Amino acid sequence: AQSVTQLGSHVSVSEGALVLLRCNYSSSVPPYLFWYVQYPNQGLQLLLKYTSAATLVKGINGFEAEFKKSETSFHLTKPSAHMSDAAEYFCAVSRSEGNNRLAFGKGNQVVVIP
Amino acid sequence: DVKVTQSSRYLVKRTGEKVFLECVQDMDHENMFWYRQDPGLGLRLIYFSYDVKMKEKGDIPEGYSVSREKKERFSLILESASTNQTSMYLCASRTTGNTGEQYFGPGTRLTVT
Repeated sequence: AQSVTQLGSHVSVSEGALVLLRCNYSSSVPPYLFWYVQYPNQGLQLLLKYTSAATLVKGINGFEAEFKKSETSFHLTKPSAHMSDAAEYFCAVSRSEGNNRLAFGKGNQVVVIP
Repeated sequence: DVKVTQSSRYLVKRTGEKVFLECVQDMDHENMFWYRQDPGLGLRLIYFSYDVKMKEKGDIPEGYSVSREKKERFSLILESASTNQTSMYLCASRTTGNTGEQYFGPGTRLTVT
């Protein structure tokens, strides 16, 4: 069954520094992968997704992620953190069974230090 | 734009009450989902529905039921609310196929006292 692992529930980053959030997946079939962001007291919104086209995917708000099959990874990056990037980030993989379900990681709470 | 709306942002109920959480989507999506979100546990799927009147249990269905009488509406029911059901509840919808993303509502923060 497909699953994702996100390590480090809380991530602190200085304003202007690189944001790097790691996501590793397990999948017996070619995966479809997603990153979502959740701002305080809001639902989740899609940052970007990988659906077997380009391996480097660009999303909203300057984020991008690279699919690396050999490493079973889909890490999220942003070159320069902004205070508005403080939020919770979730990686998800589309499950091949179970009628279009997604399997979510436990999330990373990002804190941006001025 | 896809819109997923939830009937309440905040809800306070007493132990033993029957609670209804309503979700409506406007994009004619076949699939709808109910999650609960707790700190450190991420999103856990309670139930989902892939068509009108069709439902399947998710990972944590105990203590919950659902209803989908119309395609655009998916209700989560807590038959007898308990304090351990205090949580954030998120509804989502998705079109059929593995490449499409899920669209989420704003969430309902339920407190059971």
